[in-house]
Amino acid sequence: RKEVEQDPGPFNVPEGATVAFNCTYSNSASQSFFWYRQDCRKEPKLLMSVYSSGNEDGRFTAQLNRASQYISLLIRDSKLSDSATYLCVVNIAGTYKYIFGTGTRLKVLA
Amino acid sequence: DVKVTQSSRYLVKRTGEKVFLECVQDMDHENMFWYRQDPGLGLRLIYFSYDVKMKEKGDIPEGYSVSREKKERFSLILESASTNQTSMYLCASSLTGVDGYTFGSGTRLTVV
Repeated sequence: RKEVEQDPGPFNVPEGATVAFNCTYSNSASQSFFWYRQDCRKEPKLLMSVYSSGNEDGRFTAQLNRASQYISLLIRDSKLSDSATYLCVVNIAGTYKYIFGTGTRLKVLA
Repeated sequence: DVKVTQSSRYLVKRTGEKVFLECVQDMDHENMFWYRQDPGLGLRLIYFSYDVKMKEKGDIPEGYSVSREKKERFSLILESASTNQTSMYLCASSLTGVDGYTFGSGTRLTVV
């Protein structure tokens, strides 16, 4: 079983739609969680950290469920510019190690 | 904003060559990392460093070495390049190690 698992997609959604991705992790010692965005042939960029209480940044909402060991990303009112691959990233407590999911590809269609 | 600069965007090297990939960050970060990214496999950690002259193996260190002589610079060395090292190489830095990374723009290496 992979340490961090994501549905690879692609998720094809119309502009204005709401879309949600989940990411499951297997190591219960995971302590920090992040969503990164990666455009085609570019480097990943930090989208948002995921806090235990959940957090929101404009149209983006991230949530953490420690009991079920998953994090989620919700995008409201999708824009064409949201088309990208979204990477789930987990940091294991007491280590410098970050584990990346293989990403979920989103295509927002006009 | 932190800037992480990788010296080359694209490189083509021959099998058996020694290859140096350079990475420089400008924000006095303690922690620096080298990853490779391959389709279907995601990002895999090769080496990381949490201080000058300190290095730790990641998940796939075989065939690679690193050097960190100065805080701002972290070099990845392919001792004898092979075709299975054709990949996108990404350098990253982090202030605390748990606050998320800033990545460089990547080096797409092709070994022929």
